[in-house]
Amino acid sequence: NAGVMQNPRHLVRRRGQEARLRCSPMKGHSHVYWYRQLPEEGLKFMVYLQKENIIDESGMPKERFSAEFPKEGPSILRIQQVVRGDSAAYFCASSPRTGVPIEQYFGPGTRLTVT
Amino acid sequence: QQQVKQSPQSLIVQKGGISIINCAYENTAFDYFPWYQQFPGKGPALLIAIRPDVSEKKEGRFTISFNKSAKQFSLHIMDSQPGDSATYFCAASLISSGSARQLTFGSGTQLTVLP
Repeated sequence: NAGVMQNPRHLVRRRGQEARLRCSPMKGHSHVYWYRQLPEEGLKFMVYLQKENIIDESGMPKERFSAEFPKEGPSILRIQQVVRGDSAAYFCASSPRTGVPIEQYFGPGTRLTVT
Repeated sequence: QQQVKQSPQSLIVQKGGISIINCAYENTAFDYFPWYQQFPGKGPALLIAIRPDVSEKKEGRFTISFNKSAKQFSLHIMDSQPGDSATYFCAASLISSGSARQLTFGSGTQLTVLP
C-alpha cells in the first residue's frame, strides 16, 4: 500500500515563475491537507480539501496561492509569481473519510527553492 | 488561542537515557494530540497520539503524558537510542470538527542521542 506521494521532490523556480506541486493521497483516502515548513520551524497549515471541494483555506496566503483536488488525479498546490519568501518545504498529508481519530499521514514533501 | 508551544528547542541525551519533550496548548477545544517524528529530508511520521479523556498512553518505548487541567502534554522516550535522533513535533487538532481538522504544530525539538 503506497504512502502519500508528492512530486516533484525538489523544484527550483526563478522569481516571477509559477510553481505546481502535486500530491497523490494514500489509497482509500479522500481528504488532503497542505502544510508549509520554513527552515528550522514547525509546519503551518495552509489548506484542507476533499474531492472537488475546498473545506478550509484559512492558512492560505490571500494572493498567488491556490489549491485544487479534482475528481480525477492528484491534488495540486499552485503558486503564481513566486518570490524568494516562498522557498520552503511543502508537505501534503492525507486522511481517510471515516474513522476517529482522523489520522494524517504525510508525504515526503516538495522542497521549493526560488532563485 | 491556536498556539502550541514546545520545549526544549534541542535536547541531547546519552544512549539508554530518557528523553522528555514538553508541549502546552491554549485552545481548550483541542481534542486530539499527536506526536510526529521527522528525519532530515523526510516528511513527518506519526509516532503516537492521545485523546484528552486519558492521562497516559504508552506504545513501546514511547509514552505520552497528558494533563488536561494544566493544558500540557509531554513525550517520554525511554531507553533512548541513536536511531531516535530526529526532530519531534507535537501537534493538536479539533478532530470533532467537520472543517477544522488541521493540525497546529509546535516548533519542534531536535533530539540527539549520543552513542
